[in-house]
Amino acid sequence: DAGVIQSPRHEVTEMGQEVTLRCKPISGHDYLFWYRQTMMRGLELLIYFNNNVPIDDSGMPEDRFSAKMPNASFSTLKIQPSEPRDSAVYFCASSLRANYGYTFGSGTRLTVV
Amino acid sequence: RKEVEQDPGPFNVPEGATVAFNCTYSNSASQSFFWYRQDCRKEPKLLMSVYSSGNEDGRFTAQLNRASQYISLLIRDSKLSDSATYLCVVIVNTGFQKLVFGTGTRLLVSP
Repeated sequence: DAGVIQSPRHEVTEMGQEVTLRCKPISGHDYLFWYRQTMMRGLELLIYFNNNVPIDDSGMPEDRFSAKMPNASFSTLKIQPSEPRDSAVYFCASSLRANYGYTFGSGTRLTVV
Repeated sequence: RKEVEQDPGPFNVPEGATVAFNCTYSNSASQSFFWYRQDCRKEPKLLMSVYSSGNEDGRFTAQLNRASQYISLLIRDSKLSDSATYLCVVIVNTGFQKLVFGTGTRLLVSP
């Protein structure tokens, strides 16, 4: 298995632009998680899906952030408009269960200038 | 108070040393705990689960103290390759179970 695949690996964008991050989970994993990591706050859960349905989005910072999972093999995290404080590494993870065995993707390093 | 707290370090130790990290959690109802390892500019990876009775995996020993609400990770005979950030992880149930990560403890093992 190729693991969790994220794209792009790096993204540099200007403030105000729309950013879309993509994730392909491990086949058969019913849970998909989006995390954001910064030096100050560590890993923060933004949202997670179970069987393509959003279950907990309490970590989504504000309306500028949105996430979708149109099918079992693809999810997107969109930021519109982007701001410099959104600069972070965004990780996608998938799992068979909500409470164990998360496999993380390599992350997308986002820089908003 | 943060749900999971760790000393950020760094812990600088020579090869062969024994080093221990602690992590405290705030929710006394938490049931499951893990240690993840994260190398520089890489994704986190599961290192080991933490069981109530304590558990060992080679040079690594994890322990849980429910009364004081902390978990620990002990690394014996440390190797250069152990240099990484170690993330304490707690399962929180807020209607939905989810993993909450500490900010990590950085370990640097030197020759």
